[in-house]
Amino acid sequence: DAKTTQPNSMESNEEEPVHLPCNHSTISGTDYIHWYRQLPSQGPEYVIHGLTSNVNNRMASLAIAEDRKSSTLILHRATLRDAAVYYCIHMIKAAGNKLTFGGGTRVLVKP
Amino acid sequence: DTGVSQDPRHKITKRGQNVTFRCDPISEHNRLYWYRQTLGQGPEFLTYFQNEAQLEKSRLLSDRFSAERPKGSFSTLEIQRTEQGDSAMYLCASSSANPGNTIYFGEGSWLTVV
Repeated sequence: DAKTTQPNSMESNEEEPVHLPCNHSTISGTDYIHWYRQLPSQGPEYVIHGLTSNVNNRMASLAIAEDRKSSTLILHRATLRDAAVYYCIHMIKAAGNKLTFGGGTRVLVKP
Repeated sequence: DTGVSQDPRHKITKRGQNVTFRCDPISEHNRLYWYRQTLGQGPEFLTYFQNEAQLEKSRLLSDRFSAERPKGSFSTLEIQRTEQGDSAMYLCASSSANPGNTIYFGEGSWLTVV
């Protein structure tokens, strides 16, 4: 199984950046790193994904370490609506490209 | 909205009854996934289809569970002889088959077995 390690929870103040770390030491060269978030009582929502290069979109940035064994999701300015559980997922190409969720990081945003 | 649609959103059933959930994926997506999520846990993979072919089933999918995707479009997940331990949110998701594809989830179907 694709194992990722994330902190259980993190707190941030509103309007400040949030850096969410993830370790994925068993990743292979063709496996993508995906991030999803889940608000209470909703399905997971896609945030961002990448393979080797850093990626930016309107929601967040993804910084991938040179050895690809870790990555960091960056929320540039946290808002109260960013309070959610964030999942870092190592998508294994050889396993049908399905997502295997771990426990995620619960992000609390303080006003 | 052309996202993944699930029905019903909530279902309360008595133990021993059968229930069926339906998922309508994003129209151009040929992959469809089912997950189960209990309170406080991350979603757990159950099964996935590519077109109408069921390519993988998790060990979580006991013989009381069956999933179909008869025409490669919508899918159904049926649970027979429900047990209280089946109470969970059942999530459907869809994607294209390209490497690194984004998987889009529906809002889930909540099942409560009493």
